[in-house]
Amino acid sequence: EAEVAQSPRYKITEKSQAVAFWCDPISGHATLYWYRQILGQGPELLVQFQDESVVDDSQLPKDRFSAERLKGVDSTLKIQPAELGDSAMYLCASSLEAARGIYNEQFFGPGTRLTVL
Amino acid sequence: AQSVTQLGSHVSVSEGALVLLRCNYSSSVPPYLFWYVQYPNQGLQLLLKYTTGATLVKGINGFEAEFKKSETSFHLTKPSAHMSDAAEYFCAVGGSQGNLIFGKGTKLSVKP
Repeated sequence: EAEVAQSPRYKITEKSQAVAFWCDPISGHATLYWYRQILGQGPELLVQFQDESVVDDSQLPKDRFSAERLKGVDSTLKIQPAELGDSAMYLCASSLEAARGIYNEQFFGPGTRLTVL
Repeated sequence: AQSVTQLGSHVSVSEGALVLLRCNYSSSVPPYLFWYVQYPNQGLQLLLKYTTGATLVKGINGFEAEFKKSETSFHLTKPSAHMSDAAEYFCAVGGSQGNLIFGKGTKLSVKP
């Protein structure tokens, strides 16, 4: 069964360091999402890609976060520098094409748990 | 703007008892509504979704939810809880770009 892959599963870093997370969506899925899930809360969308284009990054803290999906397949989310408040689970999800009124099922990866010391 | 409120951050039931997890939504357009389940240290899995049509939606693992427009609710139920149902459950509403807006989640505990 096809799955969304994420690595690493766990990351511990010190504040002010740079971190990067990788996501490989299900083959054929045009839409890729990065969510941040703070402990005890629901996932919040950071960035949404349609193929290699950014559809929505309004909630991405652009002073320190960046995301790319250069070939429209896998994606990398980077934080530089990391802050204590960035400790969270970072979830990647993918779906067939999504648009207004079109809600194809999102398939989630296992996430990367980031701890910033 | 769309939003979701889940009443009760933690619900505890006995095995075999009814499960009821509450979700209320706010949406300026006809909503698309979803329930997801998350087991510890795992990603989210879709339980069921409402788009249009029948207001009673059946999902996996014996769960179902009813869309009530007049009450702006989409509560999740299961007639008989099983130990394996212990997890965190998230209600979500469809956003403007085909994305999802999640509630804060309800952690379900099942007592033997």
